Amino acid sequence: SYELTQPPSVSVSPGQTASITCSGDKLEDKYACWYQQKPGQSPVLVIYQDTKRPSGIPERFSGSNSGNTATLTISGTQAMDEADYYCQAWDSSSWVFGGGTKLTVL
Amino acid sequence: QVQLQESGPGLVKPSETLSLTCTVSGDSISNYYWSWIRQPPGKGLEWIGYIYYSGSTNYNPSLKSRVTISVDTSKSQFSLKLNSVTAADTAVYYCARSPPTAARLGYFDYWGQGTLVTVSS
Repeated sequence: SYELTQPPSVSVSPGQTASITCSGDKLEDKYACWYQQKPGQSPVLVIYQDTKRPSGIPERFSGSNSGNTATLTISGTQAMDEADYYCQAWDSSSWVFGGGTKLTVL
Repeated sequence: QVQLQESGPGLVKPSETLSLTCTVSGDSISNYYWSWIRQPPGKGLEWIGYIYYSGSTNYNPSLKSRVTISVDTSKSQFSLKLNSVTAADTAVYYCARSPPTAARLGYFDYWGQGTLVTVSS
């Protein structure tokens, strides 16, 4: 079965740029999306189809996908961005999630 | 504003069947894919399966033998049945919507609040 691999944790200082990666075989041939999940809350879509941002998501969130790696970039990271982030893609006949990355803003 | 609300028992005995319903409001249930996704306590997300409003389904191969998803368009509801449950099925269960695009382009744009289902005797 297809696997998406994310680093368990990423740390960033306020105002700096955070990059969270998602790796999978030939991921660039698929479409990646990203979700933000804060404690006790449902996931929220922040990036879809590699680079698109849903209405209401701040411009500091951006995405890219090349080779075997999709990347979620948060520019000018704020304390409110501290959360778990999950990537997701479609392979064969299934939607697959990455294991999640805990973003710490310190 | 689209809203999804899960409902069902919070406690299920081992070997029995877990049954949940998701009620959709604020938009038509037609022309969308409707999924169930679960998250064990402290762990990541797992897609269980989807149903198209017309009734066609697709399930996660790892759960396919135990899962049935159905839809009732007249009530704007879709349902999950997971049989022969064990403690490993304890999780928060979410229902979610995907736009009517090719599955490879798909994503979940609206989620329910989630409901915790515990499997225990």
